Amino acid sequence: AQSVAQPEDQVNVAEGNPLTVKCTYSVSGNPYLFWYVQYPNRGLQFLLKYITGDNLVKGSYGFEAEFNKSQTSFHLKKPSALVSDSALYFCAVRDRGGNNRKLIWGLGTSLAVNP
Amino acid sequence: EAGVVQSPRYKIIEKKQPVAFWCNPISGHNTLYWYRQNLGQGPELLIRYENEEAVDDSQLPKDRFSAERLKGVDSTLKIQPAELGDSAVYLCASSRDGQNEKLFFGSGTQLSVL
Repeated sequence: AQSVAQPEDQVNVAEGNPLTVKCTYSVSGNPYLFWYVQYPNRGLQFLLKYITGDNLVKGSYGFEAEFNKSQTSFHLKKPSALVSDSALYFCAVRDRGGNNRKLIWGLGTSLAVNP
Repeated sequence: EAGVVQSPRYKIIEKKQPVAFWCNPISGHNTLYWYRQNLGQGPELLIRYENEEAVDDSQLPKDRFSAERLKGVDSTLKIQPAELGDSAVYLCASSRDGQNEKLFFGSGTQLSVL
């Protein structure tokens, strides 16, 4: 069965420090991987995706994520955090094979960037 | 380009009452999704449309939930009758073709069932 795990409910970092939000996944085949962000009282926004090619994916707002097949991980990173990055972050995965096109979502990680 | 538009933004009803949510996807987006999001949880897919066809409604509680996407554009999601456990945020999303799953979400409708 497909699954996504975001092992940390909350991540706290100081402004200007690097941040990492972790995601691991389990799919039967090769994955499509996504990160979305949800700011307070707003809908989810797409950040970045891994489909194929370079394992390091760059996305919106200076975020990037690295696909690691051996560790089945897709951690979200940013070199220097901003207070405005404080939000809820969701990792999602889909098996690229077969007819099952359903996205499986993690439970989310709340990121707090402290000034 | 206008985003995904949902209404109402908030809805408070008593249990056993009916309620409906409306979604207008981004123009040209063939795939439309309805999700339910409970507090502290990730989105849960209720139904996915390709144009006007519901291609995945396996998670839709069909005894009380219904949805339609007439003409393959706007969509409505209805609950009748509502139960206390239906309190959640109902999110609508759209994408161009459902292949790469870059979804564009609306702001959601926050439903409170009293």
